[in-house]
Amino acid sequence: GQNIDQPTEMTATEGAIVQINCTYQTSGFNGLFWYQQHAGEAPTFLSYNVLDGLEEKGRFSSFLSRSKGYSYLLLKELQMKDSASYLCAVRSHNTDKLIFGTGTRLQVFP
Amino acid sequence: DADVTQTPRNRITKTGKRIMLECSQTKGHDRMYWYRQDPGLGLRLIYYSFDVKDINKGEISDGYSVSRQAQAKFSLSLESAIPNQTALYFCATSDPLGGPTDTQYFGPGTRLTVL
Repeated sequence: GQNIDQPTEMTATEGAIVQINCTYQTSGFNGLFWYQQHAGEAPTFLSYNVLDGLEEKGRFSSFLSRSKGYSYLLLKELQMKDSASYLCAVRSHNTDKLIFGTGTRLQVFP
Repeated sequence: DADVTQTPRNRITKTGKRIMLECSQTKGHDRMYWYRQDPGLGLRLIYYSFDVKDINKGEISDGYSVSRQAQAKFSLSLESAIPNQTALYFCATSDPLGGPTDTQYFGPGTRLTVL
């Protein structure tokens, strides 16, 4: 089966750095995605990792370790607009479908 | 204009009624998906379609049916709505030939309440 774990909630201060962790168990791993979702809105794609290492996109970076079944999303120079839920999702090579974690709700305070 | 649209955006209905949620896309993607989202449970896949003649059940298909009328349209039906189908419903599309990621792009969502 497949299982994805991420913290339910996190808080941070504007201008700070926050790391959101995601651990997963899956058969036939074929990529890990991070999405951002503001309350009541659609998830929007942030990043994709399929090989080990760090992918950087501006203030956001995502890291993957396939041997550990572990990823993190790093948000730098936090802004108030970064307050949202962050969804970790894993794709199985066997089914080509995405399995989503329950999301981490991040609140950024001034 | 939005690439993935959903209608209606909000719907309140009664137990036992038949409801159809519609999804249209202008992205030219072959793959389309229906998810529901509930607090604390994340996004769960209801049905998906990899092309016009392909329909597959997801993890929670009971009580739902779908129709892929064209590449651009994928509708979700609740034959006889029940209160525990109250949720936020998202349609998504992806294109496996558009790059290695086959990223899914989501519509704005439909908030359905069943009384």
